[in-house]
Amino acid sequence: QKEVEQDPGPLSVPEGAIVSLNCTYSNSAFQYFMWYRQYSRKGPELLMYTYSSGNKEDGRFTAQVDKSSKYISLFIRDSQPSDSATYLCAMSGRGSARQLTFGSGTQLTVLP
Amino acid sequence: EPEVTQTPSHQVTQMGQEVILRCVPISNHLYFYWYRQILGQKVEFLVSFYNNEISEKSEIFDDQFSVERPDGSNFTLKIRSTKLEDSAMYFCASSSQSGETEAFFGQGTRLTVV
Repeated sequence: QKEVEQDPGPLSVPEGAIVSLNCTYSNSAFQYFMWYRQYSRKGPELLMYTYSSGNKEDGRFTAQVDKSSKYISLFIRDSQPSDSATYLCAMSGRGSARQLTFGSGTQLTVLP
Repeated sequence: EPEVTQTPSHQVTQMGQEVILRCVPISNHLYFYWYRQILGQKVEFLVSFYNNEISEKSEIFDDQFSVERPDGSNFTLKIRSTKLEDSAMYFCASSSQSGETEAFFGQGTRLTVV
């Protein structure tokens, strides 16, 4: 079983739709959960960071972590064409090294 | 807004040559990382660096790879003898010591080995 699994898509939605992106993981040591956005041939851009279980909201973005199910989600409300990108989940455990384990990314297209 | 800067943006090298990829992390950050992404694949961890030494490295980071912080601002990744399979985007990242683990990534160096 892969450590982090993410549906690669592609996912295509109309402008204004609510988008749900998800990852599952197998390593119960993961404590920190992040979502990155990556445009083609660019570096990952940090969108959301969450520690342990719970919800976090930032503008149109909401991140949810359910450690009991080993499942994390990113919701995008009122999606815009500029949200079209690949979304990567990433996670790490405790410790000073803070190595991130990434999902494979979900490619999202928001159609005008 | 502070950012991680990487140079060059694209490097083409012949197989067997040495390359050095350069990064300037965010100035008050203390943890530094290299990741790579082969085209169409996941972002993969290579190495983390703290307090002038390697904290952790993956199995990808073999004896052909080395990292260095030659001065107070630069962080470099050296590949001693490049192979075709080293062709990838290489990302530098940094994070603070605040107890949070948000890592900020640079724009990457695209390495092409021919």
